[in-house]
Amino acid sequence: NAGVTQTPKFRVLKTGQSMTLLCAQDMNHEYMYWYRQDPGMGLRLIHYSVGEGTTAKGEVPDGYNVSRLKKQNFLLGLESAAPSQTSVYFCASSYRGGRNTEAFFGQGTRLTVV
Amino acid sequence: TQLLEQSPQFLSIQEGENLTVYCNSSSVFSSLQWYRQEPGEGPVLLVTVVTGGEVKKLKRLTFQFGDARKDSSLHITAAQPGDTGLYLCAGAGNYQLIWGAGTKLIIKP
Repeated sequence: NAGVTQTPKFRVLKTGQSMTLLCAQDMNHEYMYWYRQDPGMGLRLIHYSVGEGTTAKGEVPDGYNVSRLKKQNFLLGLESAAPSQTSVYFCASSYRGGRNTEAFFGQGTRLTVV
Repeated sequence: TQLLEQSPQFLSIQEGENLTVYCNSSSVFSSLQWYRQEPGEGPVLLVTVVTGGEVKKLKRLTFQFGDARKDSSLHITAAQPGDTGLYLCAGAGNYQLIWGAGTKLIIKP
């Protein structure tokens, strides 16, 4: 039972390069999320999706784009990486939103932009 | 904007001691969740509290939701080195969770 799988686990980018982070879940969840985690700042929501073909901005969306073409996949893109995007990125999914929703997380992607 | 403040941000204590972590907000939440995160891993759900005043126990961990559903606490009795980790609280919004910044807990043997 894989749960939520993120690839890659580690990546180093040069300023200005682009990349895509992949997230796949096998739990048939409707909702998917991308977060970044920085020391002392907890989890900050970048973008989220409440279903296939839908996306919405979170707290810190600038510099990122997302797509959810298939229910099980949620992609996070960085078009022109900046050092400020150095962070640990987590993907999560949940059956739906609301009071009893449990979020399931991937193991994270550690991204360094130099 | 809904905010959740956790305190303390960092706590280092000896094995066997008791501790309490707090999660406070000026907003009312329909539920509040507590997660634990270990290094190199994503957060994992410990408990969800839904009703004002609710108390839930998970072995040596006791979780309480405030009567007004604006705050919560996590109490650990006789802490063990295996309790070491980052503890995060999260309040349920309509489509997303509102996260606290976390409490980093270290239990020394």
